[in-house]
Amino acid sequence: QKEVEQDPGPLSVPEGAIVSLNCTYSNSAFQYFMWYRQYSRKGPELLMYTYSSGNKEDGRFTAQVDKSSKYISLFIRDSQPSDSATYLCAIGNTPLVFGKGTRLSVIA
Amino acid sequence: EAGVTQFPSHSVIEKGQTVTLRCDPISGHDNLYWYRRVMGKEIKFLLHFVKESKQDESGMPNNRFLAERTGGTYSTLKVQPAELEDSGVYFCASSRFLSGTGEAGELFFGEGSRLTVL
Repeated sequence: QKEVEQDPGPLSVPEGAIVSLNCTYSNSAFQYFMWYRQYSRKGPELLMYTYSSGNKEDGRFTAQVDKSSKYISLFIRDSQPSDSATYLCAIGNTPLVFGKGTRLSVIA
Repeated sequence: EAGVTQFPSHSVIEKGQTVTLRCDPISGHDNLYWYRRVMGKEIKFLLHFVKESKQDESGMPNNRFLAERTGGTYSTLKVQPAELEDSGVYFCASSRFLSGTGEAGELFFGEGSRLTVL
């Protein structure tokens, strides 16, 4: 079983839609949960960071962690074409364990 | 402030040749990491430097890979001799330590060095 599972998509949505991205993980000891965004030919950049269970909101982005289910989510409200990118979940601290990434396209 | 810079952006070499990738971290970042993404797979950890010392090299695939960080500044990752399965994108990332916790802070990634081995 992989440490982090993430559906690679691709996922295509119309502009303005709510996007839900998810990962599951196997190691219950993980405490740090991150979402990175990666544009084509660029490096990953940190989008959201949560510690332990709960929700965190930042503008149009909401990150959720359910440690009992070992399940993390990223929600994007009012999605924009500029949100088109690959979204990677990353878990742990040092070193980070990444999911495969979900490629998202937001169509105008 | 300059970000993490990597060179070259793309390298194409023949199997058996040697390639050296370079990473310049953000100034003042003691932590430097190498990660690799092979096509169709996850980004995977290779190793972690704290200043000039190797803190964790558990992700290095084999002894054909040699990483150095002389003087605790820039780092190089040498692959010798390169094999077909070494093709992928090699990412470097750096972070500072969080004061009071001793934990690594946010990782800042470079744009990656794409290696193609023919």
